[in-house]
Amino acid sequence: NAGVTQTPKFQVLKTGQSMTLQCAQDMNHNSMYWYRQDPGMGLRLIYYSASEGTTDKGEVPNGYNVSRLNKREFSLRLESAAPSQTSVYFCASSEDGQGLMNTEAFFGQGTRLTVV
Amino acid sequence: RKEVEQDPGPFNVPEGATVAFNCTYSNSASQSFFWYRQDCRKEPKLLMSVYSSGNEDGRFTAQLNRASQYISLLIRDSKLSDSATYLCVSFPPYSNYQLIWGAGTKLIIKP
Repeated sequence: NAGVTQTPKFQVLKTGQSMTLQCAQDMNHNSMYWYRQDPGMGLRLIYYSASEGTTDKGEVPNGYNVSRLNKREFSLRLESAAPSQTSVYFCASSEDGQGLMNTEAFFGQGTRLTVV
Repeated sequence: RKEVEQDPGPFNVPEGATVAFNCTYSNSASQSFFWYRQDCRKEPKLLMSVYSSGNEDGRFTAQLNRASQYISLLIRDSKLSDSATYLCVSFPPYSNYQLIWGAGTKLIIKP
């Protein structure tokens, strides 16, 4: 049972470089999310996708783009990395975003990104 | 003021003891709450959902106090394996999929 798989697990970028974080889930979930987690702060939503073909901004979307490639895959792209984007990134999925009060969010193992 | 606030801890508790910590929320309209557990350098995992009547699962009990706008988590007979960070989450109505996460309370169970 793979659940939610994220790659890579670790990455170091230089300022201005770009990269794409990959995420795939095998639970046939409709909703997928990208969060960042910084010390002393709660998880903050970057982007989410309520269903295949739709994406919406979350709390902190600036500097990021996303693609819901198909129902399984949701990628996060940093076009021009900045030191402020140093963080731990988590992808998550849930069965039904609208019914989130009744459903569990499953997380990937996280990507530790450092921008120097 | 943060929407969801937690004491960051750490709470250092001897094995076998009972420990409780609270989480306050600012949006009085919130009706759904969750406790997630996050082990060091791991992803969050759902521990419990908290609805109006509270919830109990084995050694874990979660309660909701609407009047004072906080939820609590009680752990009885604590185990070494309970050491983790506990994240409080609220789901305000009409939040458009945005769960609001607290920064977490770190719990360390000592032998």
